[in-house]
Amino acid sequence: EAGVAQSPRYKIIEKRQSVAFWCNPISGHATLYWYQQILGQGPKLLIQFQNNGVVDDSQLPKDRFSAERLKGVDSTLKIQPAKLEDSAVYLCASSLGAGGEYNEQFFGPGTRLTVL
Amino acid sequence: KQEVTQIPAALSVPEGENLVLNCSFTDSAIYNLQWFRQDPGKGLTSLLLIQSSQREQTSGRLNASLDKSSGRSTLYIAASQPGDSATYLCAVVDYKLSFGAGTTVTVRA
Repeated sequence: EAGVAQSPRYKIIEKRQSVAFWCNPISGHATLYWYQQILGQGPKLLIQFQNNGVVDDSQLPKDRFSAERLKGVDSTLKIQPAKLEDSAVYLCASSLGAGGEYNEQFFGPGTRLTVL
Repeated sequence: KQEVTQIPAALSVPEGENLVLNCSFTDSAIYNLQWFRQDPGKGLTSLLLIQSSQREQTSGRLNASLDKSSGRSTLYIAASQPGDSATYLCAVVDYKLSFGAGTTVTVRA
């Protein structure tokens, strides 16, 4: 079974530029998550989708970050414009379901973003 | 708000020694607790998931215990090997995953 796919693996941009990350979850997984992991910290949830609807985006900096999950399958996370403090690894995860009883999350390899 | 703490932040041991990694959390109303491994530049690999009704879970050389009442979990790795060198993260699950900052382990050959 294929795992969670992410691209690109690495990205270097100048501050104030825009960047987009792509994620394809495990087939059949209804729930998709984007996490931000700053060096030396644990991952922080940015946004959670159930099918193509947003369940939780309380920690997403909406003035510069946006995410979409068209057709309830793959997803794109965008940063516009980027700041130095956005340098981090962006992890995508998916699970069969969500809410109530826990559904195990499976993580992709991540995208390492460096903002200069 | 759930706070998850992992101590120590880093650990270096000689090959063959047993590893003990600690995780504490502030809110005991959790569904599960999960331990992950993260290699440099890689994503997270799930090691063990302990359901709230369980007290421990084992997989090969790994054993994880859970004490909800005291808000603690411990991951034991027996007979460590250089290939065990990685960062180990614990995450508690209420309605979402809340992660600790991790313990970076180095096993010296």
